Amino acid sequence: DSGVTQTPKHLITATGQRVTLRCSPRSGDLSVYWYQQSLDQGLQFLIQYYNGEERAKGNILERFSAQQFPDLHSELNLSSLELGDSALYFCASSVAGQGTNIQYFGAGTRLSVL
Amino acid sequence: GQQLNQSPQSMFIQEGEDVSMNCTSSSIFNTWLWYKQDPGEGPVLLIALYKAGELTSNGRLTAQFGITRKDSFLNISASIPSDVGIYFCAGRRTQGGSEKLVFGKGTKLTVNP
Repeated sequence: DSGVTQTPKHLITATGQRVTLRCSPRSGDLSVYWYQQSLDQGLQFLIQYYNGEERAKGNILERFSAQQFPDLHSELNLSSLELGDSALYFCASSVAGQGTNIQYFGAGTRLSVL
Repeated sequence: GQQLNQSPQSMFIQEGEDVSMNCTSSSIFNTWLWYKQDPGEGPVLLIALYKAGELTSNGRLTAQFGITRKDSFLNISASIPSDVGIYFCAGRRTQGGSEKLVFGKGTKLTVNP
């Protein structure tokens, strides 16, 4: 158990809908990262938050947004869902955003868009 | 998005054999990481490499950070059935508090008892 908690484990929804994925980082970790894993693209970095502020952006679509709350949990919002958004979404957390700190991954949320 | 070139894509080996996989990139990374992912789980860190030329071991696993900072390899010696899974390399860039991991597409390892 990495200590990173993601909910829900599975999500099935329809095209055009909006969903929210939730992540609770390890105790003491200030940074949260979101990744998308699909069969054809592999693991892709989406976005990083550090202590409530956005720190780095990767291949995140405009239909997607994230935030980190004062209690350090984070949510990833996916809207106007398309079939191609079906993937595993992982959250990772680390103590800080640089140096030798390590990212620990949650078990992921499997999103199926029908 | 950018990805690392990881090879091989898959390996089928007999228990007890040694395994080698590697990653190359066209750009430089500060850190190289190797993760293992089991079905239904998130990636778990196996080895982290922080300096060019660094050779690090973790039990039966050995990994090296290439001198050019553009490549890394992972060796597994005397494989056992629980080594089965997908192994990912990742290059890390850090700048001003931001951190990005770029992943390879993975090496799927199957170990026949």
